[in-house]
Amino acid sequence: GAVVSQHPSWVICKSGTSVKIECRSLDFQATTMFWYRQFPKQSLMLMATSNEGSKATYEQGVEKDKFLINHASLTLSTLTVTSAHPEDSSFYICSALPLGPIKNIQYFGAGTRLSVL
Amino acid sequence: QKEVEQDPGPLSVPEGAIVSLNCTYSNSAFQYFMWYRQYSRKGPELLMYTYSSGNKEDGRFTAQVDKSSKYISLFIRDSQPSDSATYLCAMRVNDYKLSFGAGTTVTVRA
Repeated sequence: GAVVSQHPSWVICKSGTSVKIECRSLDFQATTMFWYRQFPKQSLMLMATSNEGSKATYEQGVEKDKFLINHASLTLSTLTVTSAHPEDSSFYICSALPLGPIKNIQYFGAGTRLSVL
Repeated sequence: QKEVEQDPGPLSVPEGAIVSLNCTYSNSAFQYFMWYRQYSRKGPELLMYTYSSGNKEDGRFTAQVDKSSKYISLFIRDSQPSDSATYLCAMRVNDYKLSFGAGTTVTVRA
């Protein structure tokens, strides 16, 4: 149980294009999902907290117009990197917090590797 | 000063050895402490979850939390090559935002 699916696992795009990453909780509902960014050999940095049916809360220094987050249902959140540039190349990971959490645990997706040419 | 400090290693041990990992933190409000394992280019996988101070054991894994010293540890007994990964400590207060350590890269040599 508690599986989080993230798609795509790897995407290459040209500079200036937009890329959408999906995060789905497969066997549970999640009112809250999180989006992280991870650079090579570094830890996870929280970008934003996504709540179903409301606007995402962005961490300081994260451009909300650059990283659009939509959490339209209890099982799906999307991150769109708009007008991507090479400096946006990174590993993006989502996590989901089960509804009515018993253990208060975030379950993570497998991550999406974004390469912007 | 970072909120959570973790030595990035790398740490290399022979198969069968005990792996000892630790993190220190500065925020005394942290109450929930976790250890995640992350294989290369994969998402973190929860290994251990503890609330407040104390020890918790699960198979070959033991997690210790000492809130008075703001220090947490993870021990892996009888280490196997399949334990080779990056281990991340994480902690939080009552909300759900996690603060992560930098991660320690562990290699278990066959």
